Amino acid sequence: GAVVSQHPSWVICKSGTSVKIECRSLDFQATTMFWYRQFPKQSLMLMATSNEGSKATYEQGVEKDKFLINHASLTLSTLTVTSAHPEDSSFYICSAGGPILAKNIQYFGAGTRLSVL
Amino acid sequence: SQQGEEDPQALSIQEGENATMNCSYKTSINNLQWYRQNSGRGLVHLILIRSNEREKHSGRLRVTLDTSKKSSSLLITASRAADTASYFCATDDLGSNYKLTFGKGTLLTVNP
Repeated sequence: GAVVSQHPSWVICKSGTSVKIECRSLDFQATTMFWYRQFPKQSLMLMATSNEGSKATYEQGVEKDKFLINHASLTLSTLTVTSAHPEDSSFYICSAGGPILAKNIQYFGAGTRLSVL
Repeated sequence: SQQGEEDPQALSIQEGENATMNCSYKTSINNLQWYRQNSGRGLVHLILIRSNEREKHSGRLRVTLDTSKKSSSLLITASRAADTASYFCATDDLGSNYKLTFGKGTLLTVNP
């Protein structure tokens, strides 16, 4: 199956700093990538849909200035948490999907655990 | 928005037993998928069933879909300790532009 690499897997940062998370499709071209947030023992909450070469589409309630998404190439999407605060601490997961992949199956990265002190 | 509801929220069984998880949804769908998530990891796709299918098998997995009741079930036969994980159903809703809507998940614990 398709492989999606997410980096870093774990990051600790001080309040007020920005953190960038990368999501790469290693063996296929991902026209569409998704960014999710997951709280402990809960389901995935879709934050935004990222299409290569265009602006991301954010879900209701997600601050676009807080969570900057860039999808500059068919193999890389990045999520930057700007001016992170303790309430941003969470597990962030990316996935690749969209029309280039059959059957609308999404392939997930391993996730990034963000801890903001 | 989250529309899938898995049932039960948690399930604990002995190795070798079968595990059944159910999922309900609310809107019309193109297909329904099941994913597995090991603790602290990403999700892995298990199986997809199209809206015009009623049952599908893959190895020890059996999925059913009842579109009239808007529900699906995932059966894992002859469970193993390595099957311990959270299982999520996800619907590909009509007109969703490739977004998936995930349920709340069932935490399955298989005791050796």
